[in-house]
Amino acid sequence: ILNVEQSPQSLHVQEGDSTNFTCSFPSSNFYALHWYRWETAKSPEALFVMTLNGDEKKKGRISATLNTKEGYSYLYIKGSQPEDSATYLCALGTNAGKSTFGDGTTLTVKP
Amino acid sequence: NAGVTQTPKFRVLKTGQSMTLLCAQDMNHEYMYWYRQDPGMGLRLIHYSVGEGTTAKGEVPDGYNVSRLKKQNFLLGLESAAPSQTSVYFCASSYSQYSPAGYTFGSGTRLTVV
Repeated sequence: ILNVEQSPQSLHVQEGDSTNFTCSFPSSNFYALHWYRWETAKSPEALFVMTLNGDEKKKGRISATLNTKEGYSYLYIKGSQPEDSATYLCALGTNAGKSTFGDGTTLTVKP
Repeated sequence: NAGVTQTPKFRVLKTGQSMTLLCAQDMNHEYMYWYRQDPGMGLRLIHYSVGEGTTAKGEVPDGYNVSRLKKQNFLLGLESAAPSQTSVYFCASSYSQYSPAGYTFGSGTRLTVV
């Protein structure tokens, strides 16, 4: 079982703050790294899929970077809004066709 | 376009009863997955399939069986339900591990075993 770790477990910020989370994974098992956004009472929705060392992806105020050599990915949110409140999951894809998910970082943005 | 559809959405079972959860996708995806989500434990992979007629065990397969007789359907069976199987079950599908779209998830099935 691969160990995918996310930190922090939870985060409370004020509206307008910028924030970032970390996803750590065993660098020797890398195939693809996924980020998902999971709102309460909904299903996870894919944000980014990254496959190459140094990849940077951006969607609006949310961006992500990837370092496969040292085994980590960062997710950044610029100018957090209350609607950004959700749990953010990362998942490590392997060549076996499956992904292992971290436990997520739960973000709460206070107005 | 329905995406990934899970049925039922809710179910209460008595210990020892059996049931089948159905996952259907209309995106022609090769890969399909069953996860369970428990408080504080994230998503754990039960079983998965890399194509029609194939299945493989995930992290927590005990007590579950699966079948992928048709490409669009992935069934999860509980032969003899136990209280430890109380959870929210999510099905997901994807075109490939590299797909920029990532996984598409169903809306979940909340199962309670009493």
